[in-house]
Amino acid sequence: AQKVTQAQTEISVVEKEDVTLDCVYETRDTTYYLFWYKQPPSGELVFLIRRNSFDEQNEISGRYSWNFQKSTSSFNFTITASQVVDSAVYFCALRDYGGATNKLIFGTGTLLAVQP
Amino acid sequence: EAGVTQFPSHSVIEKGQTVTLRCDPISGHDNLYWYRRVMGKEIKFLLHFVKESKQDESGMPNNRFLAERTGGTYSTLKVQPAELEDSGVYFCASSQVDRILEKLFFGSGTQLSVL
Repeated sequence: AQKVTQAQTEISVVEKEDVTLDCVYETRDTTYYLFWYKQPPSGELVFLIRRNSFDEQNEISGRYSWNFQKSTSSFNFTITASQVVDSAVYFCALRDYGGATNKLIFGTGTLLAVQP
Repeated sequence: EAGVTQFPSHSVIEKGQTVTLRCDPISGHDNLYWYRRVMGKEIKFLLHFVKESKQDESGMPNNRFLAERTGGTYSTLKVQPAELEDSGVYFCASSQVDRILEKLFFGSGTQLSVL
């Protein structure tokens, strides 16, 4: 069965601190996609990144970076020098490669509060 | 370009009543999805439309939920009669039909409270 676990329910940091959000996934598929979405207070889910299982290179986008480790089935997300605007709920998600539908399996989300 | 639009943003109803949620996808997006997040839990897939056809409705909880997408444009999700456990945030998402692996664009959701 496919499953995504985000063990951190809530994280609170002070501005400029670095923070890592954990994501552990389970799947029997050899090919799959992993995602991170951000849900700011406005409510909509905003796409951050998609990574396929063939590509284990870490990715950096500005203050955001992602560490994909197939050996530990993890896809962790780090925000460097956090800012108040980073406060949001962050969801990790998984989908299988061969499906004909974008049926994502989400984790329970991590609420990140960045204090000024 | 307008994003995915959902309304109402909030709905408070009593158990046994009927509620209809609406989703307007991004223009030109033939894929339309409904997801739901019950308080504190994961976001779960409900169903998927391609144009007006239901491609996958395996996530629909029971027959009190009815989704439609007449004409392949906007979609409605009706809950009748509503139960307490139906409370949650209902998200709609859309993507282009010929790019299944393209990222989903989500709306802001409808917060449904059943009292």
